[in-house]
Order: sequence, then structure tokens, then C-alpha cells
Amino acid sequence: DAGVTQSPTHLIKTRGQQVTLRCSPKSGHDTVSWYQQALGQGPQFIFQYYEEEERQRGNFPDRFSGHQFPNYSSELNVNALLLGDSALYLCASSWGQREAFFGQGTRLTVV
Amino acid sequence: GQQVMQIPQYQHVQEGEDFTTYCNSSTTLSNIQWYKQRPGGHPVFLIQLVKSGEVKKQKRLTFQFGEAKKNSSLHITATQTTDVGTYFCAGPGGSQGNLIFGKGTKLSVKP
Repeated sequence: DAGVTQSPTHLIKTRGQQVTLRCSPKSGHDTVSWYQQALGQGPQFIFQYYEEEERQRGNFPDRFSGHQFPNYSSELNVNALLLGDSALYLCASSWGQREAFFGQGTRLTVV
Repeated sequence: GQQVMQIPQYQHVQEGEDFTTYCNSSTTLSNIQWYKQRPGGHPVFLIQLVKSGEVKKQKRLTFQFGEAKKNSSLHITATQTTDVGTYFCAGPGGSQGNLIFGKGTKLSVKP
């Protein structure tokens, strides 16, 4: 049983570019949440997807958008990248309010 | 908005010493979850506490949920080098299961 998988593991982008990160949830999980973790900080909630719709959103600008597919996998898109977007992006899947299982993350560096 | 605070931010201990991290929420929580993140890794779920005053043990780890359901603690007895990492507490940020994380307590253990 595969856990949460994310791709790519590392990414370097230039300011102003756009990026797409991908996540496949743990088998049996229908809810996918995305978090941004800056160095030395706790994960910060970006948004959550359930039944292919954004169900909840944290305090992030509209440059951050996402999508969930019928197979529950999800994408996180960030437009007009800023240096401050450099962080570890974590995908977490869950079933309801049960514990969240995190993927290994995508380390995004914006130069 | 809702905040989750953790102290201390860092803790350096000699192997064999005990360790405690404390978590406080600005609001009453329906539950609290604890995660461990090893250096370079991703958060891994440790436990969820739901009941007021609940105490749960996992080998050398003892987790406690306060009577008012606004604070929690994690105590590690006789630390080992394998305990190294950052310990996060997290509370639900809404009804849909997104998590509000504390900034974490980074534990280092000197052999």
C-alpha cells in the first residue's frame, strides 16, 4: 500500500515563472490538503480538496491554485513565483478528520 | 485567528535525559495531533488526543491533553539519539479537517 507520493522532489524556478506540483493520496483517502513549510517553521495550510472541489482555504493569495482529479490525486499551481515562495510544499491526505498522512514533500527553490 | 503556540523552540539534551514540549491553543480544540519530523524529512503522525484530560503512552512517549482542551504536552523519558527531530502539535483549523500547526520544538540529543 503506497503512502502519499509527491513529485517532483526538488525544483528550481526563476522569479515570475509558474510551477505545478503533484500529489497522489494514500489509498482509501479522499481528502487532499496542501501545506507550505518555510525553513524552521511549522507547515502552513494552503487549501484542501474534497470531491474535486476546494473545500477550505488558508491565508494564501490567488497565485496559489489547485485541482483534484476523479482519482483523488491533486495538483498545486503557483503563478508569478516570488523569492518568498521558496519552501517545502507538503501534501497530506486523510479520511475525514482522521490523522493526516504527509508525503515527502517538494522542495521548491525560487531564484 | 486561531493560533497554536509551542515552547520551547529548541531543546538540547544529553542522551538519557527527559524532554518535554508544551503546546497551547488560543481556542478550545476538538482534538490535538502530534507529529514528528526528522531532519530533511516530512511530518509523521504520532498520535491524536480527543478527550479532556486524556493521557496516552507510546513506549517512552507520554502525551497529555489538558482539561480545558486548550493545551497539550509531549514528554519523552530517557531520550535516545533516534528521538532527534522537530515535534509539532496541530489542532483542527475548521470543521473540514485542515490543521493549524505550532512552530515546533526542535530536539537535539547529544550521545
